[in-house]
Amino acid sequence: GEDVEQSLFLSVREGDSSVINCTYTDSSSTYLYWYKQEPGAGLQLLTYIFSNMDMKQDQRLTVLLNKKDKHLSLRIADTQTGDSAIYFCAESTPTGKLIFGQGTTLQVKP
Amino acid sequence: DSGVTQTPKHLITATGQRVTLRCSPRSGDLSVYWYQQSLDQGLQFLIQYYNGEERAKGNILERFSAQQFPDLHSELNLSSLELGDSALYFCASMGTENTGELFFGEGSRLTVL
Repeated sequence: GEDVEQSLFLSVREGDSSVINCTYTDSSSTYLYWYKQEPGAGLQLLTYIFSNMDMKQDQRLTVLLNKKDKHLSLRIADTQTGDSAIYFCAESTPTGKLIFGQGTTLQVKP
Repeated sequence: DSGVTQTPKHLITATGQRVTLRCSPRSGDLSVYWYQQSLDQGLQFLIQYYNGEERAKGNILERFSAQQFPDLHSELNLSSLELGDSALYFCASMGTENTGELFFGEGSRLTVL
C-alpha cells in the first residue's frame, strides 16, 4: 500500500541542525519530496530528490535517501526561527498523485 | 503566490448543508488535485483530475464529488455535511515539468457547526 510516516514534532535551538525523518512504502516512487507549510498558508515545495540519488544538497538543506530502507531525511543546517513550520514528506505514485506524511512540526527556540 | 486560486478562503455552515469549493489551477497546468487537511488525519488525498477527466481517487467520501471543467477550473462539492468534515481543503495543480511538483493554493477552511 501507499503510506508515508513521519514523527510529529521536533524542537531545536536556533543555530543547531534539525533532522526530520520519514519512511515510505512505495518502492516505485520516482521522486520524493519535502514540502513546507507556514502558518495560515498552503504547502510549498522545499526540495525533492530523484529516486536514483542518495543525497542532494541545496544551501542549508541536505536530503538523504536510503532506498533499501525506504528512509528519507531532511537536514536543515543553522536552523533559524524563520524555519519554524510544518514539514511534509511525500512520495510520488505511478498515477501522478503525491502521498503525504502527517507532517513534522518544527519548533525553533531562540 | 503559487498561482493557484481557491475560493472561498473561509466558510462556516451547519450540519446537513452543502457547499462548493472552487479552484483555478496555474495557467497552463492541466492537472488538479484536492487534499483535505485535518488535525487528526493529516493531509489526505481526495481526488485528481487531468484535463477534465478523473485520474485517481483517494479517501473521498460518497457525500463528496468533484469535477474539472473545460476551462480547467475545478469544483469540490461537499454535501450532507457533518461536524467531522471541518477541515482545510487544498487544491493543487501539477507543473508540466517532469519533477511532479505540486503547486498549492492557500486552502479553503470549512467549519461545520
